[in-house]
Amino acid sequence: DAGITQSPRYKITETGRQVTLMCHQTWSHSYMFWYRQDLGHGLRLIYYSAAADITDKGEVPDGYVVSRSKTENFPLTLESATRSQTSVYFCASSVGAPSGANVLTFGAGSRLTVL
Amino acid sequence: QKEVEQNSGPLSVPEGAIASLNCTYSDRVSQSFFWYRQYSGKSPELIMSIYSNGDKEDGRFTAQLNKASQYVSLLIRDSQPSDSATYLCAVPNYGQNFVFGPGTRLSVLP
Repeated sequence: DAGITQSPRYKITETGRQVTLMCHQTWSHSYMFWYRQDLGHGLRLIYYSAAADITDKGEVPDGYVVSRSKTENFPLTLESATRSQTSVYFCASSVGAPSGANVLTFGAGSRLTVL
Repeated sequence: QKEVEQNSGPLSVPEGAIASLNCTYSDRVSQSFFWYRQYSGKSPELIMSIYSNGDKEDGRFTAQLNKASQYVSLLIRDSQPSDSATYLCAVPNYGQNFVFGPGTRLSVLP
C-alpha cells in the first residue's frame, strides 16, 4: 500500500525495556520526522531526517535514538523506556525541506504505554 | 525555535454558526502557515495552507493571515458536528522541520 505506515499501532511495555517503533513510507520523501503528542503539550518534535544517514535532534530527543539507513525507513528506538515516554508517537514525511510547498503527511500513529 | 500559540479551548459553537480559530507565532520572518485537523484518536490531516496576507477560501474554510500582527486564523462557516476536532496551526521552522501549536479543540453542537 502506498503511503506512510507505522508499526506497531499499540504497544505496552515495562520500564527499562527497549522498544522500537517503525515507520515506512513509499513516496521516496526526503524528509521524515518523529513527533510525540501528549495532553497539554501538543505535537513535539523528537528527531528528524533530511535524507538517508542524515538525522538531527528536535525539541525532545533525550531517551530516543533514530537511524535512517534507507530513505523509506525511519525507526525510533527507546533504549530504556520510562513512564514519561508513554505517549502517542507520529511519524511524518515531506517531499523536501519544510516550506510552504512541502507539507507534512502523517502516519496513523503508535500508542505506547510504559508500565 | 519558533513558538506557535493557540487557545486550547474547548471552543463550542452551535451547528450552522461560524467557528473562529486563532493562532499567533513568534517569528516575523515566517512566510507560510498551515492548518491541520485532528479527529480524536486519529492523525493530523492538512486542511489549509496560506502564504500571503489576506484571506484564502476553500469551501467552508477561510484562512486569514496578518503578518504585521503575526497571527493567522481559520474560519469555518456553517459549522457541522463533523467539524468537531482539534485544529492545529503549524509553521515551517527555518526549513528544517515544522513547529505546531498546542491545538484548539472545537465542539460543534447539534
